[in-house]
Amino acid sequence: GAGVSQSPSNKVTEKGKDVELRCDPISGHTALYWYRQRLGQGLEFLIYFQGNSAPDKSGLPSDRFSAERTGESVSTLTIQRTQQEDSAVYLCASSVDRRGGETQYFGPGTRLLVL
Amino acid sequence: AQSVAQPEDQVNVAEGNPLTVKCTYSVSGNPYLFWYVQYPNRGLQFLLKYITGDNLVKGSYGFEAEFNKSQTSFHLKKPSALVSDSALYFCAVRDGNQKVTFGIGTKLQVIP
Repeated sequence: GAGVSQSPSNKVTEKGKDVELRCDPISGHTALYWYRQRLGQGLEFLIYFQGNSAPDKSGLPSDRFSAERTGESVSTLTIQRTQQEDSAVYLCASSVDRRGGETQYFGPGTRLLVL
Repeated sequence: AQSVAQPEDQVNVAEGNPLTVKCTYSVSGNPYLFWYVQYPNRGLQFLLKYITGDNLVKGSYGFEAEFNKSQTSFHLKKPSALVSDSALYFCAVRDGNQKVTFGIGTKLQVIP
């Protein structure tokens, strides 16, 4: 497939458990973003990877959240000791243009429900 | 720091009437501006963008947006709204090497 893919599409977990969300960007896209979208709310920036530069982690809400990306490929977002307020749709996007005017291509999201 | 404001949580418009969804921004350099749309139960999709050149940008589905530097605005417009345009619309801005910043979104409801 040519688009951004995310897995799992849905995840139900118990409070206190760790979860790992995966994003496969479009091949050749150097930039990768993670966002969170709570029910009925806007996009909340979490983290941004650009090539081999240090990631911009300024949007991560707590130290329970972390993300990794290997080169310009797959990224994983890990949430440790999940809380009910972590319930949201987690969106991944990738883009190719380094000049700033890039279009982001979004994945379908992972819907996380913490019970 | 860059920021985006979408002052309206929701915009209601009658089908066939023109629509405007407002967006203002704040950046330190030249802005790159975007509109994205999220249809119900579907992912975010790119609608249009402004990088340079003509202030009036035309995008998908008959939408357009006007870049106004003096007012730091990038309002989304369409001459005649369709019921199928009902969705959540996000404005976004990027300044140089900064990350993209999204607004909180505006829900557009087109009434038949």
